[in-house]
Amino acid sequence: KAGVTQTPRYLIKTRGQQVTLSCSPISGHRSVSWYQQTPGQGLQFLFEYFSETQRNKGNFPGRFSGRQFSNSRSEMNVSTLELGDSALYLCASRPGQGLTETQYFGPGTRLLVL
Amino acid sequence: AQSVTQPDIHITVSEGASLELRCNYSYGATPYLFWYVQSPGQGLQLLLKYFSGDTLVQGIKGFEAEFKRSQSSFNLRKPSVHWSDAAEYFCAVGLNYGGSQGNLIFGKGTKLSVKP
Repeated sequence: KAGVTQTPRYLIKTRGQQVTLSCSPISGHRSVSWYQQTPGQGLQFLFEYFSETQRNKGNFPGRFSGRQFSNSRSEMNVSTLELGDSALYLCASRPGQGLTETQYFGPGTRLLVL
Repeated sequence: AQSVTQPDIHITVSEGASLELRCNYSYGATPYLFWYVQSPGQGLQLLLKYFSGDTLVQGIKGFEAEFKRSQSSFNLRKPSVHWSDAAEYFCAVGLNYGGSQGNLIFGKGTKLSVKP
């Protein structure tokens, strides 16, 4: 099975712009989570989608949003970019929402905001 | 609040030496615990996980971890480190939202360097 794929892998934007990142989960996985990784804050949970519905959200401003499509692919959007949004954005997928299900991570999208 | 602490930011060991990476968690309910590894420029790869049962769990690449409820710890060990083990290691706890697994709370990570 192919793993979690994320596109693009690298992205450079300027302050004030918006950006959309894409994540394709492992085939058959219906749950997709997004995490932000920065040197200062580490890995922080953004949100989780299951069956096209947001199930859980982390403590991030409303500029961060996401959605999930019927094929389980997910996108996250960041509007009005700030310098502090520079980070590695990781997507993870798992089959459902069971307690013992493992999250499998993609390689990430590295976003640089200038 | 739930939290995960990895006290060691950076550890250097010699190739062939044993390794122990520390992880302490704070979580009121039964914890679901994970260790992930991240190589430079890569995503996270699962090394092992603990949900219940035997408190000593075996993972990939020769790693093992022991869950100690009394100490709220889940330390990662390897008897003999290889140069390819140089990476950053993250301990995480999975939250339980009424029977469904919620998000992962990660520690800040421990960077492992291996001396030849």
